[in-house]
Amino acid sequence: GQQVMQIPQYQHVQEGEDFTTYCNSSTTLSNIQWYKQRPGGHPVFLIQLVKSGEVKKQKRLTFQFGEAKKNSSLHITATQTTDVGTYFCALSSSNTGKLIFGQGTTLQVKP
Amino acid sequence: DTAVSQTPKYLVTQMGNDKSIKCEQNLGHDTMYWYKQDSKKFLKIMFSYNNKELIINETVPNRFSPKSPDKAHLNLHINSLELGDSAVYFCASSHDHRAYEQYFGPGTRLTVT
Repeated sequence: GQQVMQIPQYQHVQEGEDFTTYCNSSTTLSNIQWYKQRPGGHPVFLIQLVKSGEVKKQKRLTFQFGEAKKNSSLHITATQTTDVGTYFCALSSSNTGKLIFGQGTTLQVKP
Repeated sequence: DTAVSQTPKYLVTQMGNDKSIKCEQNLGHDTMYWYKQDSKKFLKIMFSYNNKELIINETVPNRFSPKSPDKAHLNLHINSLELGDSAVYFCASSHDHRAYEQYFGPGTRLTVT
């Protein structure tokens, strides 16, 4: 079945540094979603990307969908301690809504 | 005004016992899901119901049985609990069964001793 690989698994940054997590698939994706899970919390939807080459921004977060629709990235500019958590990409089936999650990238921010 | 709620939040039980987790959503969504998150934070779909009809049934032991009495509720019953069932179980819902964003409940941390 479809899989999505997410790297890195962990990232420790100093507050104010940038952060990027990447998702890669061997097959073309119809869409990709991103979720954030705070420590002890539940996944919270951030965004969905559908179009080839799409770039969307949410304040300091920039989401990209590759031209071939096989990869995606989430970039955070000037991290803050509130950005701490695990970021997941997920590909979804348009027929069932089933989400297949990447392994997640856990971000730690040192103040 | 919680969107997706689960009970209980914590569940500690012994091997061999049977337990249930309940989930309710007040978003008016048609589709609900159960996910399992293991100790390495890997999230995996278990089941999905669309308007009370089972549409996703992943490779899950048949000790796990979901039940959806109506489209706002999806419960998970687990028979003969095993150590490997220890995990956080998340319920989620979405507008319908197409590729929409999903809203997750707060999770139920199940510990089997």
